[in-house]
Amino acid sequence: QVQLQQSGAELAKPGSSVKISCKASGYTFTSYDISWIKQTTGQGLEYIGYINTGSGGTYYNEKFKGKATLTVDKSSSTAFMQLSSLTPEDTAVYYCALITTTDFDYWGQGVMVTVSS
Amino acid sequence: DVVLTQTPVAQPVTLGDQASISCRSSQSLVHSNGNTYLEWYLQKPGQSPQLLIYKVSNRFSGVPDRFIGSGSGSDFTLKISRVEPEDLGVYYCFQATHDPPTFGAGTKLELK
Repeated sequence: QVQLQQSGAELAKPGSSVKISCKASGYTFTSYDISWIKQTTGQGLEYIGYINTGSGGTYYNEKFKGKATLTVDKSSSTAFMQLSSLTPEDTAVYYCALITTTDFDYWGQGVMVTVSS
Repeated sequence: DVVLTQTPVAQPVTLGDQASISCRSSQSLVHSNGNTYLEWYLQKPGQSPQLLIYKVSNRFSGVPDRFIGSGSGSDFTLKISRVEPEDLGVYYCFQATHDPPTFGAGTKLELK
């Protein structure tokens, strides 16, 4: 069965970076883009961007350019998102997801990132 | 960015009732290819969002036919007939027609 397994919760200091992972299984990894979504109580769900798992090409929501960097390791079927120059506003749950606008849609369990000094 | 306005913010229901959620877009969601990429998700407490409906009215695998998506252009509705306990949670509409993709703010389906 299709699974997206995300890494564990992160506690980071302001100004630092974190890199979270999303390991895919149960399908051909390079067949679908992986999207990343941010969820906060205040702003709800926000679409960060996606990575083409075959070519490594990326799309970023303008709001997250310079904040998020998406990469992929095809050899391990894993996608990564690095968040840099962290501020308390980056405290959120981050999801990776297969959003294909078809009958193929799966989400990871989410990673809580807390930014605090 | 496209703004999706969901109403109501909260929908109190009695089990067995029908519920209806509206999602209105700040611009038409008809893509240049003719498709309308409007989806509905349900997020249950402590869980990730799960897809219910894609392209306005297509039910995702395993979604009961109690869930009916409809609408066109910039006006969409999700109807849930005969609400069951597992239907409780927050419903989000989502558009992928225009970049960046955007979500509505959510509608909480809760017991009266």
